[in-house]
Amino acid sequence: QVQLVDSGGDLVKPGGSLRLSCAASGFTFSDYYMAWIRQAPGQGLEWVSYLSQSGSATYYADSVKGRFTISRDNAKKSLNLQMNSLRVEDTAVYYCARWVGGMDVWGQGTTVTVSS
Amino acid sequence: EIVLTQSPGTLSLSPGERATLSCRASQTVNNNYLAWYQHKPGQAPRLLISGASNRATGIPDRFSGSGSGTDFTLTISRLEPEDFAVYYCQQYGISWTFGPGTKVDIK
Repeated sequence: QVQLVDSGGDLVKPGGSLRLSCAASGFTFSDYYMAWIRQAPGQGLEWVSYLSQSGSATYYADSVKGRFTISRDNAKKSLNLQMNSLRVEDTAVYYCARWVGGMDVWGQGTTVTVSS
Repeated sequence: EIVLTQSPGTLSLSPGERATLSCRASQTVNNNYLAWYQHKPGQAPRLLISGASNRATGIPDRFSGSGSGTDFTLTISRLEPEDFAVYYCQQYGISWTFGPGTKVDIK
């Protein structure tokens, strides 16, 4: 079945780095834009980053620009988010999602906690 | 940046009642590129509507989206117990933004 599985969340200190991954199955991964969305505790949804089918076009929210890097490996059907210079305010559940003009398939979420 | 405002913040209704949720944009949403999502605690969000009025696959017809330009509405014609959740709008006409959400809870 069509599925996304997020992983990589952890407890990290401010200024640290973390790499999130998302494994796709059940669909032709290379046909779709993919995205990362997050939800901080008690807050609403916030888009983080998304990229084109080939990975050549990438987009970032201002809050993460210059610190986060989105990438994909179509052969491995995986989506990644490299997060550097992490801040306390990056603490959130991070979801990967498939974009079809709306995000129709989501991972289960992986929790990132930035705290000293 | 397009700012989305959702109202009301909380909507308290009973099962069987009609829910009307509003999403207003600070400027025109290009091509009515607006989506609605349902989000329940501990679950991933669920796409309900894209393109302002197109129901996503598998979404019951009690959910409908309408509107254009800067004013959009999500209507749930008769609330079922599983519909109590937080609802977000998202515009994707110029970059992306999410609204702050409307919580629909049980009266």
